[in-house]
Amino acid sequence: KNEVEQSPQNLTAQEGEFITINCSYSVGISALHWLQQHPGGGIVSLFMLSSGKKKHGRLIATINIQEKHSSLHITASHPRDSAVYICAVFSNYGQNFVFGPGTRLSVLP
Amino acid sequence: KAGVTQTPRYLIKTRGQQVTLSCSPISGHRSVSWYQQTPGQGLQFLFEYFSETQRNKGNFPGRFSGRQFSNSRSEMNVSTLELGDSALYLCASSLAGHSNQPQHFGDGTRLSIL
Repeated sequence: KNEVEQSPQNLTAQEGEFITINCSYSVGISALHWLQQHPGGGIVSLFMLSSGKKKHGRLIATINIQEKHSSLHITASHPRDSAVYICAVFSNYGQNFVFGPGTRLSVLP
Repeated sequence: KAGVTQTPRYLIKTRGQQVTLSCSPISGHRSVSWYQQTPGQGLQFLFEYFSETQRNKGNFPGRFSGRQFSNSRSEMNVSTLELGDSALYLCASSLAGHSNQPQHFGDGTRLSIL
């Protein structure tokens, strides 16, 4: 079993839809990051979470430490949101980042 | 403020050769981490350097090595290249490498082994 799992693996949505991407992890962590990777490789850090909820524009990220689960929500999705979204946890054991497999999102106009 | 710069962007090598990749972090950032991304394994942590010292290392063979200079620029070296080393190599910098600090990624070096 992978230390960090994401669902769904692939997601296609219509413009304007509400989107949820889930991340579950099995290791002790000190923080969880959500990353966005566009075609071509560039990665942008969206959120860092150690508890609760954060909001930035149309993006919302939540984390439940007890349940070892985080969600990334996109409201009013737009084709420019099409990217791979990666959950990364900072492992207390290895003191390094462990990454989920990513969720490939396509938002159709 | 300039972002993280990785050079070269693309590289083609043959088996058995060695390669050196470069990463210039954001000014003031002292932590540089390297990652390998492949279609099969996804993103994997290689190593982290802080103030010219390797602070942490992932589960990769000794063919993968790195170093950091006094200006925080970092290089990664892979010797005796294998086909499986074909990947996108990303570096990321942060102020001090703490878990609650954002990682700023470069655009990566795409390495192809023939």
